[in-house]
Amino acid sequence: AQSVTQLGSHVSVSEGALVLLRCNYSSSVPPYLFWYVQYPNQGLQLLLKYTTGATLVKGINGFEAEFKKSETSFHLTKPSAHMSDAAEYFCAVSSSNTGNQFYFGTGTSLTVIP
Amino acid sequence: DTEVTQTPKHLVMGMTNKKSLKCEQHMGHRAMYWYKQKAKKPPELMFVYSYEKLSINESVPSRFSPECPNSSLLNLHLHALQPEDSALYLCASSQEWEGPYNSPLHFGNGTRLTVT
Repeated sequence: AQSVTQLGSHVSVSEGALVLLRCNYSSSVPPYLFWYVQYPNQGLQLLLKYTTGATLVKGINGFEAEFKKSETSFHLTKPSAHMSDAAEYFCAVSSSNTGNQFYFGTGTSLTVIP
Repeated sequence: DTEVTQTPKHLVMGMTNKKSLKCEQHMGHRAMYWYKQKAKKPPELMFVYSYEKLSINESVPSRFSPECPNSSLLNLHLHALQPEDSALYLCASSQEWEGPYNSPLHFGNGTRLTVT
């Protein structure tokens, strides 16, 4: 079975500070990992994905995430927060034995303080 | 602009009404999904169509009836809904040829449904 845990349902950072959103996964087979962002009154937008290959993945809007198998983690980071980064962030996992099933974490709401 | 288009953006319906939500994508994706999302919660999978055939039904009540007329279109027919069905309904699509599990979901902006 696959699952995702996002530590911290709310994260606040100052504008210009480092953004760190945590995601830990559980998977009995090699996982495929995704981060999505959701702005108010919109759908989810893909930030980045890890399938195979390089463990440091770069995404849109300056975000990146590192797949760490030993820690079963896929934390999302951005060096310098911008006001426009305020949104809800979801981590998701799938695998070769889940077909079209994607398992989402409970989400982290990011607030950026001016 | 999203590549998955959902209509209407907002819908208010009574418990005895029949209405439909529509979703369209032109990315050549062969898997299409309906998700339900409550405020401040992750999306919950309802249905998946793969190559126009229903492949996953997450034990959704029969008052929700999906339909996939062709590979670009997905409908969700609503009948006799309850107030607790009020939510954001999201449509998504993904490629199948990469393997459904590693092809990311592309979401529409959703239909905000209110049941009175």
